[in-house]
Amino acid sequence: DSGVTQTPKHLITATGQRVTLRCSPRSGDLSVYWYQQSLDQGLQFLIQYYNGEERAKGNILERFSAQQFPDLHSELNLSSLELGDSALYFCASSAQGDYNEQFFGPGTRLTVL
Amino acid sequence: AQSVTQPDIHITVSEGASLELRCNYSYGATPYLFWYVQSPGQGLQLLLKYFSGDTLVQGIKGFEAEFKRSQSSFNLRKPSVHWSDAAEYFCAVGGNNNDMRFGAGTRLTVKP
Repeated sequence: DSGVTQTPKHLITATGQRVTLRCSPRSGDLSVYWYQQSLDQGLQFLIQYYNGEERAKGNILERFSAQQFPDLHSELNLSSLELGDSALYFCASSAQGDYNEQFFGPGTRLTVL
Repeated sequence: AQSVTQPDIHITVSEGASLELRCNYSYGATPYLFWYVQSPGQGLQLLLKYFSGDTLVQGIKGFEAEFKRSQSSFNLRKPSVHWSDAAEYFCAVGGNNNDMRFGAGTRLTVKP
């Protein structure tokens, strides 16, 4: 158990819908990272937040957004969902902001029908 | 931007045999290099990382990796594989922009 929690574990929704994925980092960790893992794209870095501020941006679509709240939990919002958004979404956390060891959560499996 | 290539999609080794998983990266400066392992249905776990200094890095579970700048490689090795090592292994590279890029992964099967 990494100490990072993600909810929900599974999510099934329809195209065009909007969903919110939630991540609670390890106690004391200030950084949260979001990743998408799919069969065709592999594991892709989406975005990083550090202590409430956006720190780095990867291949995140404009339909996706994220935020980190004062209690350091983070949410990833996915809107106007398409079939291709079906994937495993991981959250990771680290103590600092720069390439310290990242601890990964178990992931949220999103299925878009 | 940085990129990573893992040439082997799937590798099968016998239990007790040695293992080497290949990783090549592309980055203009000194990279930050990582190896992660993912067991089925699990998140990723960091095996080891290289930032600077000694080019031979020791990790958890008996793994090691060697950074070779001349070959742009960071291969993962283990002298004797255990059945519990069966998993997916990811090499990753980070640059100064905090954007970490992962390779496509190598799936390891361990034969009894």
